[in-house]
Amino acid sequence: NAGVTQTPKFQVLKTGQSMTLQCAQDMNHNSMYWYRQDPGMGLRLIYYSASEGTTDKGEVPNGYNVSRLNKREFSLRLESAAPSQTSVYFCASSEYVNSPLHFGNGTRLTVT
Amino acid sequence: QKEVEQDPGPLSVPEGAIVSLNCTYSNSAFQYFMWYRQYSRKGPELLMYTYSSGNKEDGRFTAQVDKSSKYISLFIRDSQPSDSATYLCAGDDKIIFGKGTRLHILP
Repeated sequence: NAGVTQTPKFQVLKTGQSMTLQCAQDMNHNSMYWYRQDPGMGLRLIYYSASEGTTDKGEVPNGYNVSRLNKREFSLRLESAAPSQTSVYFCASSEYVNSPLHFGNGTRLTVT
Repeated sequence: QKEVEQDPGPLSVPEGAIVSLNCTYSNSAFQYFMWYRQYSRKGPELLMYTYSSGNKEDGRFTAQVDKSSKYISLFIRDSQPSDSATYLCAGDDKIIFGKGTRLHILP
């Protein structure tokens, strides 16, 4: 009964390094999302995938890329990390786009 | 202006009190609204969702939507220390979140 699983839980990067955040869901949901959460800013949508094979930009997509690898997995890539990308990243899934979301427990990323 | 606005708090109330958490929204296209609860260092969890009119009750929790004033409320009866968390409201349409209200229930 895992729900949404995110890896890693914590990561420290130096400016300019790249990394991929992984997300997998076992609820057979069609839609998946990546959010970032910063103090005073709330949850902001980075990218989402309404269904397997599609991806779309959210509110804050600059500096990120995503891949919907299959129905279960949706990854977020930082090609050249910047200190402004220090944040907590949450992956979520839902049965369809705009239906209630189920979240993972987040990846805490620090870029120095 | 963000499409969903919340007072960030913190809101501190004594145990057993009725808590009222509120949001305003500006997007008339929202069809339904959700309330999420987020404990420290955890992901948000869905608490309730309600369509764009009327009330919905689930145990100690009641969600209310007033379409005419674009106002969403969550009431918690008989509040418990375990209710201490951040509460986020959200509208559908790619799930737009408010910034969340931090709630502290004082034993």
